[in-house]
Amino acid sequence: TQLLEQSPQFLSIQEGENLTVYCNSSSVFSSLQWYRQEPGEGPVLLVTVVTGGEVKKLKRLTFQFGDARKDSSLHITAAQPGDTGLYLCAGAGSGAGSYQLTFGKGTKLSVIP
Amino acid sequence: KAGVTQTPRYLIKTRGQQVTLSCSPISGHRSVSWYQQTPGQGLQFLFEYFSETQRNKGNFPGRFSGRQFSNSRSEMNVSTLELGDSALYLCASSTIPGMGATNEKLFFGSGTQLSVL
Repeated sequence: TQLLEQSPQFLSIQEGENLTVYCNSSSVFSSLQWYRQEPGEGPVLLVTVVTGGEVKKLKRLTFQFGDARKDSSLHITAAQPGDTGLYLCAGAGSGAGSYQLTFGKGTKLSVIP
Repeated sequence: KAGVTQTPRYLIKTRGQQVTLSCSPISGHRSVSWYQQTPGQGLQFLFEYFSETQRNKGNFPGRFSGRQFSNSRSEMNVSTLELGDSALYLCASSTIPGMGATNEKLFFGSGTQLSVL
């Protein structure tokens, strides 16, 4: 069974601060996705990282996939209230026949104006 | 293009009852997956359907079942409801199945919030 551990579980910061969220596993994933979920809505895909060591940027968000494809991080620069939400990482299986995503439990981020 | 539509948005049931949830995928998407989301366990995979066939199933009891119709719409059913079944049930669609092999994008609906009293 592949597990993804996210940390921290909760994060409350002031507007303008920087933060990093981590997603770790002992398993190798063929790719890793990051989602943001707002209350009352389903998760929305932010990015997919595929190659070990890959870094992707989405405006103020920077995503990195670990070299061994077992972990990932999400860094937000100068957080805004609109960044508030539940951030989920999800790993896709590393072998053929893996037809499901394994989700972490998420990091609940609150950005205070 | 319309997104993934789930109905109903909210449901209140009592223990022992059964419930059916519906999901209409994005037009052209033939794969539908179902997930259960709870504060304690997070998102857990229930099952995935493609072309009316169940492709994969998560670790849930047989009370949880699903099906997919020829128009790709999907339903999931939970029989003999238990208090622990209270959760947000999310449906996601994609063009083809096989998240591990294809790194396909998943598009989620807003979910059905089920409360079991």
